[in-house]
Amino acid sequence: GAVVSQHPSWVICKSGTSVKIECRSLDFQATTMFWYRQFPKQSLMLMATSNEGSKATYEQGVEKDKFLINHASLTLSTLTVTSAHPEDSSFYICSAPVGVGTDTQYFGPGTRLTVL
Amino acid sequence: QKEVEQNSGPLSVPEGAIASLNCTYSDRGSQSFFWYRQYSGKSPELIMFIYSNGDKEDGRFTAQLNKASQYVSLLIRDSQPSDSATYLCAVNSRSNDYKLSFGAGTTVTVRA
Repeated sequence: GAVVSQHPSWVICKSGTSVKIECRSLDFQATTMFWYRQFPKQSLMLMATSNEGSKATYEQGVEKDKFLINHASLTLSTLTVTSAHPEDSSFYICSAPVGVGTDTQYFGPGTRLTVL
Repeated sequence: QKEVEQNSGPLSVPEGAIASLNCTYSDRGSQSFFWYRQYSGKSPELIMFIYSNGDKEDGRFTAQLNKASQYVSLLIRDSQPSDSATYLCAVNSRSNDYKLSFGAGTTVTVRA
């Protein structure tokens, strides 16, 4: 199956700092990637859609100035959590659809963020 | 009404039995249906997708779709302890820009 990687797999940071998470498609190009957040014992919540060459589109209630998304190339999207606070601690997961016109999404392994 | 609803679980089945997972969705325009398996602390892993009414089998897994009833299910035959996980139903519709809507998940425990 298609491979989507994320880096780092986990990160611990102090409150007020910024954290960047990378999502890469390893053997295919992805003009669109999705960013999700998952709190313990809850389902995935879509945060935003990352679009190569244009601005990301954010879901209702997600602060675009706090969660900066940059889709730098056809294989890389980054999510930066700015001025992180303990309530931002969560499991962040990206996904990418494989192939043009397909809606089958493969997920990266996720990044566990802990803000102290 | 939630977009995607799953039977709440948890579901406990003995090893070798059939685990049956159910999912209903509200958007009648939905076109693609997915089942993901998520182990604790890990990201979701795609196990099945189905687009047409009827059954689709892949190994021990069978997905069933009934668009008229807005219902999709997953059967796991000959359940193994390694099948113990949370199973997420996801639905994709053109009206939602092809974004996935997830159910809350059903946790399955297979007893050895």
